[in-house]
Amino acid sequence: DAGVTQSPTHLIKTRGQQVTLRCSPKSGHDTVSWYQQALGQGPQFIFQYYEEEERQRGNFPDRFSGHQFPNYSSELNVNALLLGDSALYLCASFSLQETQYFGPGTRLLVL
Amino acid sequence: AQSVTQLGSHVSVSEGALVLLRCNYSSSVPPYLFWYVQYPNQGLQLLLKYTTGATLVKGINGFEAEFKKSETSFHLTKPSAHMSDAAEYFCAVSALGRLAFGKGNQVVVIP
Repeated sequence: DAGVTQSPTHLIKTRGQQVTLRCSPKSGHDTVSWYQQALGQGPQFIFQYYEEEERQRGNFPDRFSGHQFPNYSSELNVNALLLGDSALYLCASFSLQETQYFGPGTRLLVL
Repeated sequence: AQSVTQLGSHVSVSEGALVLLRCNYSSSVPPYLFWYVQYPNQGLQLLLKYTTGATLVKGINGFEAEFKKSETSFHLTKPSAHMSDAAEYFCAVSALGRLAFGKGNQVVVIP
C-alpha cells in the first residue's frame, strides 16, 4: 500500500514565477491538507481539500491556491513567487477523524 | 484557536539517558494531540497520538506521552536514548483535521 506521495522532490524557481506541486493521498483517504515548513520552524497549515472543495484555509495570501481531483489527488499552486516562499511543502492525507499521514515533501527554493 | 508550545529548540541528551520533550497546548475543545518525528530531508512520521481514553499513550520506538488535562500538557518521554533518536520532534494539536504544530525540538544524542 503506497503512502502519500509528492512530486517533484526538489524545485528551483525565480522570483515572480509560478509553481505547481502535486500530491497523491494514501489509499482510502479522501481529504488532503497542505503545510508549509520554513527552515527551522514547525509546519504551518495552508489549506485543506475535501470533495474537490477547499474546506479550511490558514493565514496564507491568495497567491496560494489549490485543487483536488476526483481521484482525491491534489495540487498546490503558488503565483508570483517571493523569496520567503522558499520552504518544504508537505502534503498530508486522512479520512474522517483518522490520523494524518504525511508525504516526504517538496523542497522549493526561490532565487 | 488551538496552539502548542514547545520550549527549548535544541535538546542534548546522552546515549542511554532519559529523553524528555515538553509540550503544552491550548484548545477550546477536547484536544486531539500528536507527536511527530522528522529525520533530515524527510517528511513527518507519527510517533503517537492521544484522542480519548487512556491518558498514557505508547508509541513507536519506545516513546510514550502522558495527557494531563489539569496541566494542559502532553510531554514526550523515552527511558533510554539511542543514537537513532537524533531527529526533530514536533508536538501538534488537531481541530477539525487542521494540525497546529509547535516550533519543534532538535534532539542531539551524545555518545
